[in-house]
Amino acid sequence: DTGVSQNPRHKITKRGQNVTFRCDPISEHNRLYWYRQTLGQGPEFLTYFQNEAQLEKSRLLSDRFSAERPKGSFSTLEIQRTEQGDSAMYLCASSVGAAGEKLFFGSGTQLSVL
Amino acid sequence: AQRVTQPEKLLSVFKGAPVELKCNYSYSGSPELFWYVQYSRQRLQLLLRHISRESIKGFTADLNKGETSFHLKKPFAQEEDSAMYYCALDPGGYNKLIFGAGTRLAVHP
Repeated sequence: DTGVSQNPRHKITKRGQNVTFRCDPISEHNRLYWYRQTLGQGPEFLTYFQNEAQLEKSRLLSDRFSAERPKGSFSTLEIQRTEQGDSAMYLCASSVGAAGEKLFFGSGTQLSVL
Repeated sequence: AQRVTQPEKLLSVFKGAPVELKCNYSYSGSPELFWYVQYSRQRLQLLLRHISRESIKGFTADLNKGETSFHLKKPFAQEEDSAMYYCALDPGGYNKLIFGAGTRLAVHP
């Protein structure tokens, strides 16, 4: 499968624990995005990277959230001191970076905070 | 405020019937609008975008700036069209999409 890859597929954690998700974009794509989707809602933009540079973070992304994309390849999203409200599907997507180019989404990581 | 509204959570039709999935948006500039689809156990994927003015799998969508709408239409629904459909707005051209809540289309035999 040469699409966007996300790991793990599912993560169950206890409130207060830290979690980290990984996204491997399509290899020639220089833009990488993180979205979050809660039950019954559409995806919400969190942040995006152009190569290794994080260009924008949504107000939804509290200080407990941090994302990195070292060397402009894979990306990680870390949530510190998880809260029950963090339970959601975390989606990664990538694109070639030209304006209007379509996003290719991964299958997502489903986070459940108990 | 920039917003996308999909008023129907569920649209249920019979095979061969026409389909219209509604999408209204709130945006002051020139919008870039998309329809994304998620079939059962598959990833979210682009169905079509208004700038391309294309027809994909028999679906079309026309941007109506006066009514701020971008409804998705298909004249004859097929069972394989059953899926979750999301309308999305790109306010700046950087794929920082604003999605609607989605409409589940169920096509019955």
